[in-house]
Amino acid sequence: NAGVTQTPKFRILKIGQSMTLQCTQDMNHNYMYWYRQDPGMGLKLIYYSVGAGITDKGEVPNGYNVSRSTTEDFPLRLELAAPSQTSVYFCASHTTGRLGYGYTFGSGTRLTVV
Amino acid sequence: TQLLEQSPQFLSIQEGENLTVYCNSSSVFSSLQWYRQEPGEGPVLLVTVVTGGEVKKLKRLTFQFGDARKDSSLHITAAQPGDTGLYLCAGDFPRTSGSRLTFGEGTQLTVNP
Repeated sequence: NAGVTQTPKFRILKIGQSMTLQCTQDMNHNYMYWYRQDPGMGLKLIYYSVGAGITDKGEVPNGYNVSRSTTEDFPLRLELAAPSQTSVYFCASHTTGRLGYGYTFGSGTRLTVV
Repeated sequence: TQLLEQSPQFLSIQEGENLTVYCNSSSVFSSLQWYRQEPGEGPVLLVTVVTGGEVKKLKRLTFQFGDARKDSSLHITAAQPGDTGLYLCAGDFPRTSGSRLTFGEGTQLTVNP
């Protein structure tokens, strides 16, 4: 099982450029999440999805968009990159119905906006 | 917005020492999870606690959930250099549907040989 796969691992963007961070999971999890992690700030929820075709905003959604056309994929789109979006981005997935069953995280995308 | 406070933020100890990390909130959790994160990787789940007063042990790690389900602690006995990492607590608060974890800011633990 690959788990949660994120690409790319690293990216440098210029201000105003756009890009899509890819996330795919092969565990048939219905819930998927995008978090960003800034130094000393923990993880902040950007967007989440409870199933294909359904997405909702988290704590810090401004400047981002998502889509969930399939169970497996949950891409995160940055339309006009800003320096404030420099961060490490983590995708995670989760399934309900099992106590003690936590989130599975990808290994992250380190994004720098210059 | 529900907040989680973790303490201490940084901890540097010698191999063999014991330590405790705390996670507190003013709100009641439906469940609380502890994760460990190494540089360049995503967080990895250590444990989930659900019941007030619950204690779980994972080798040298002991996790406790407060009776009121507003706080939790992680105790490591005889720490080893391999325990070095960022420890994150994450709470799931009662909501009508779904699961949305709120993370603490983490405790960066360094265990020196």
